[in-house]
Amino acid sequence: QKEVEQNSGPLSVPEGAIASLNCTYSDRGSQSFFWYRQYSGKSPELIMFIYSNGDKEDGRFTAQLNKASQYVSLLIRDSQPSDSATYLCAVDGGSNYKLTFGKGTLLTVNP
Amino acid sequence: GEEVAQTPKHLVRGEGQKAKLYCAPIKGHSYVFWYQQVLKNEFKFLISFQNENVFDETGMPKERFSAKCLPNSPCSLEIQATKLEDSAVYFCASSLVGEQYFGPGTRLTVT
Repeated sequence: QKEVEQNSGPLSVPEGAIASLNCTYSDRGSQSFFWYRQYSGKSPELIMFIYSNGDKEDGRFTAQLNKASQYVSLLIRDSQPSDSATYLCAVDGGSNYKLTFGKGTLLTVNP
Repeated sequence: GEEVAQTPKHLVRGEGQKAKLYCAPIKGHSYVFWYQQVLKNEFKFLISFQNENVFDETGMPKERFSAKCLPNSPCSLEIQATKLEDSAVYFCASSLVGEQYFGPGTRLTVT
């Protein structure tokens, strides 16, 4: 059974701070890693994807991947109240492309 | 279109009735995925298509669930004889390669 684990939170940070979200996965064959943001009652919105070890930056977001440790993280710099949402880590197992999701981390950014 | 479209937005069925959900993928995307989200954050993969062909159906409870993607028609997910436990939000996602983009979902309530 492939598993993706996330801290459920809630994670609370003040406005302007860095929010750090973590995710571990069990399947060493996993190839692709995604972070989705889901507002309450809405659909998941893709905000970052990473395929290679190291860091990938896009605006205020940085995804970090360490395949040896089976660990992927998302950093949100200069957090805004509008970043308050559930962040879902999803892992693609390889040739079948289906995503295995973690249960999500609820982030609250306090003004 | 530029977004994944799903209809209807809400669907209410009595236990034992049939439910049919529809999904139009982003134009040009060849993969379609169906996921079920229950208990707020738990995603379960159901089935995927590559164009009109079933790509992976390992998540489908085949005795009551069926799905199709026919040329020039929205994809569909049908549940025969719904059960209370089928109450969930059903998301469709599409992709070209790798990144999956989600539709707004259909909330199915079985009473």
